[in-house]
Amino acid sequence: KAGVTQTPRYLIKTRGQQVTLSCSPISGHRSVSWYQQTPGQGLQFLFEYFSETQRNKGNFPGRFSGRQFSNSRSEMNVSTLELGDSALYLCASSEGSHGAYNEQFFGPGTRLTVL
Amino acid sequence: GQQVMQIPQYQHVQEGEDFTTYCNSSTTLSNIQWYKQRPGGHPVFLIQLVKSGEVKKQKRLTFQFGEAKKNSSLHITATQTTDVGTYFCAGVENRDDKIIFGKGTRLHILP
Repeated sequence: KAGVTQTPRYLIKTRGQQVTLSCSPISGHRSVSWYQQTPGQGLQFLFEYFSETQRNKGNFPGRFSGRQFSNSRSEMNVSTLELGDSALYLCASSEGSHGAYNEQFFGPGTRLTVL
Repeated sequence: GQQVMQIPQYQHVQEGEDFTTYCNSSTTLSNIQWYKQRPGGHPVFLIQLVKSGEVKKQKRLTFQFGEAKKNSSLHITATQTTDVGTYFCAGVENRDDKIIFGKGTRLHILP
């Protein structure tokens, strides 16, 4: 099976803009989680989707949002970008209904730079 | 809020020496996962521990979950250059099912 794919791999934006990142999970996986990774804060949970429903949400402002489609593909959106949003955004899929309790398979990530 | 503290932040060992990283939570965890991230790569799942006092082994890697389910450790015996990377623990609190990652331990192997 193909692994988790994320597009784009690299993105440069300026403050105030918005961005949409995409994640395609492993075929058959219906749970998709998003994480932000920075050198200072490490890996932080953003949100998790299962069967098109948001199951859980981390402690991020409302500028961060996401959705999941019927084919389990997921997108996350960040509006009004700030410099501090520069990070590696990782998507992970799992076979079970809950990523926190199942093996998660991570994608290669999208490196977002905000200028 | 829940915190998962991981120590040490960095570890340099001679090839062949052992290595251990520790995770401590301020609250009781329902389970803990361990991941490895190679430089420039993405996290790769290693194992999940669920039961109090659980010990699991994968070749040279030994994982433990504390009796109180508040701490965990990963021990690597006789490190090899392929062990280079950052090891993360990730704990889940019973209350809200949110996964919290430790900051990771970056392992460097000296030849």
